[in-house]
Amino acid sequence: DTEVTQTPKHLVMGMTNKKSLKCEQHMGHRAMYWYKQKAKKPPELMFVYSYEKLSINESVPSRFSPECPNSSLLNLHLHALQPEDSALYLCASSVGTKGQPQHFGDGTRLSIL
Amino acid sequence: QKEVEQNSGPLSVPEGAIASLNCTYSDRGSQSFFWYRQYSGKSPELIMSIYSNGDQEDGRFTAQLNKASQYVSLLIRDSQPSDSATYLCAVNAGGGADGLTFGKGTHLIIQP
Repeated sequence: DTEVTQTPKHLVMGMTNKKSLKCEQHMGHRAMYWYKQKAKKPPELMFVYSYEKLSINESVPSRFSPECPNSSLLNLHLHALQPEDSALYLCASSVGTKGQPQHFGDGTRLSIL
Repeated sequence: QKEVEQNSGPLSVPEGAIASLNCTYSDRGSQSFFWYRQYSGKSPELIMSIYSNGDQEDGRFTAQLNKASQYVSLLIRDSQPSDSATYLCAVNAGGGADGLTFGKGTHLIIQP
């Protein structure tokens, strides 16, 4: 078990559905991240939030919409996804913004029908 | 383009031996270096962090960094079957709230 909690653990959705992934940490970390990991590939960075502000968007399609309501919570809103978006979505957090290690949640395994 | 290179393996090591995993990176300005272990179907787990040239030891694990050669390595002493996993080398380039750039990972198999 990790101190970064992601829900749901599994999600199956159709291409026309709208759903959200949730990530929560109570370690007082001020940077939070979304990564996407396809099978047998390394994680790829999607978004970085630093002090609740979006600081990096790695050219992610607009069908993925991140939100950081407060310092403990990070959401990823999903809409009109494609089958190729099926992957493991990982949330991570780090203490601050000086290159400290990132700690990952267990991930949400997303399948698009 | 930031790149992190690892030999994908599989790397097969007998139980009790030393496993040596290597990683090179392209961005000379990189400042923070990490090794993550990932079991099949699980999320990456942080094993080691290293920030300056030399060795960093934690139990059976030793991380080594050579910034002049842009090279990071991980040694696992007294390898156990439970060490069998994919090991990901990760680099944070700017020292700020950048994301990590990962290598493709080395699949390590410890043979009992």
